[in-house]
Amino acid sequence: LAKTTQPISMDSYEGQEVNITCSHNNIATNDYITWYQQFPSQGPRFIIQGYKTKVTNEVASLFIPADRKSSTLSLPRVSLSDTAVYYCLVGDGRGFKTIFGAGTRLFVKA
Amino acid sequence: NAGVTQTPKFQVLKTGQSMTLQCAQDMNHEYMSWYRQDPGMGLRLIHYSVGAGITDQGEVPNGYNVSRSTTEDFPLRLLSAAPSQTSVYFCASSFSGTSGTGELFFGEGSRLTVL
Repeated sequence: LAKTTQPISMDSYEGQEVNITCSHNNIATNDYITWYQQFPSQGPRFIIQGYKTKVTNEVASLFIPADRKSSTLSLPRVSLSDTAVYYCLVGDGRGFKTIFGAGTRLFVKA
Repeated sequence: NAGVTQTPKFQVLKTGQSMTLQCAQDMNHEYMSWYRQDPGMGLRLIHYSVGAGITDQGEVPNGYNVSRSTTEDFPLRLLSAAPSQTSVYFCASSFSGTSGTGELFFGEGSRLTVL
């Protein structure tokens, strides 16, 4: 499974757009990129998944360049409730044997 | 729809005791897995199952046993608890159908302390 690298932590202010970039240089041809969010004392929650270009849902956008060696999770107009740990994962998209890294701790300030 | 249910939510054990963490899902998911999360760290995969009767090891399987006799249930057994197994345990499941739709659904976690 491809290894991912993402910043350990990020700070932001309410109302700002937050972009978290993840590197996955060894991503395989059939791998998907998936992002999860985890609040303290809760299990991770699926945010978004993509294979290439751009994916958008009601929560976030995921930008994937043509070489797919990195991806960027974009959270528009964050609020205090977006303070959480965000995990970037690559795999076959089915969730099998999913390996989580350390994630990025996002702290949103008022 | 209950999703993924874990019991118990909290448990304190003494070193050497055994116990079983229960996990049940009602979404007819074929794939189920167990993770542990230590303070300030990411999740580490313990064991997983791709269907009834099929299990395999993850990153940190030592000290844990699993079985999958039904699609719904995936219990995690600690045979002889050690303080190093103090952690929060999460069970997860996903539909193993079309590639690209494998969202993992997590339970609320079970906090285990081994004295």
